[in-house]
Amino acid sequence: QQQVKQSPQSLIVQKGGISIINCAYENTAFDYFPWYQQFPGKGPALLIAIRPDVSEKKEGRFTISFNKSAKQFSLHIMDSQPGDSATYFCAAIKNTGNQFYFGTGTSLTVIP
Amino acid sequence: NAGVTQTPKFQVLKTGQSMTLQCAQDMNHEYMSWYRQDPGMGLRLIHYSVGAGITDQGEVPNGYNVSRSTTEDFPLRLLSAAPSQTSVYFCASSKQGRDTEAFFGQGTRLTVV
Repeated sequence: QQQVKQSPQSLIVQKGGISIINCAYENTAFDYFPWYQQFPGKGPALLIAIRPDVSEKKEGRFTISFNKSAKQFSLHIMDSQPGDSATYFCAAIKNTGNQFYFGTGTSLTVIP
Repeated sequence: NAGVTQTPKFQVLKTGQSMTLQCAQDMNHEYMSWYRQDPGMGLRLIHYSVGAGITDQGEVPNGYNVSRSTTEDFPLRLLSAAPSQTSVYFCASSKQGRDTEAFFGQGTRLTVV
């Protein structure tokens, strides 16, 4: 049973547009929510992460929005660039630590 | 910095063969894990370890064995390869604690024919 649900499975965005990827969870024991970025032939790498005590975190063009009551969080990529084309995974970690629960991934393609 | 090193990068096995995927990290991380990545299914946890001598099963452990004799190494053994084990395998390591970053290796693409 998928503990973190991610959508959409794939996304095509024009250069300069906004890419939005959504994730949802049920387990209230989750209290750390990272996003990972994976380029073809590479392992995933940490992009940005958020704790549930804040509703938004921004790093450059990447923003996480977090809705604790709805148990949802999303990644927004502003001014999307072809170099952002990759697979994105949301994840959640329990307050007991360490074990990552990953979403199913979103393949993002940014068209020049 | 080497980080997490996986070998081999590619492997073709015949059904029934056994093999070991190697994983080593040089960051002194306590936590290590193995995932398989399949299209549309994301990263699924196979086995993990919270320290030398301690391992546990993840979501999809059947057909795989692990051991952790040192902090640095966490090999994954396929006992009798099956076509269903065709996948890309990733090893990851992280420090203990919930605000932690997982560092992934480059992956091993395994094909079982």
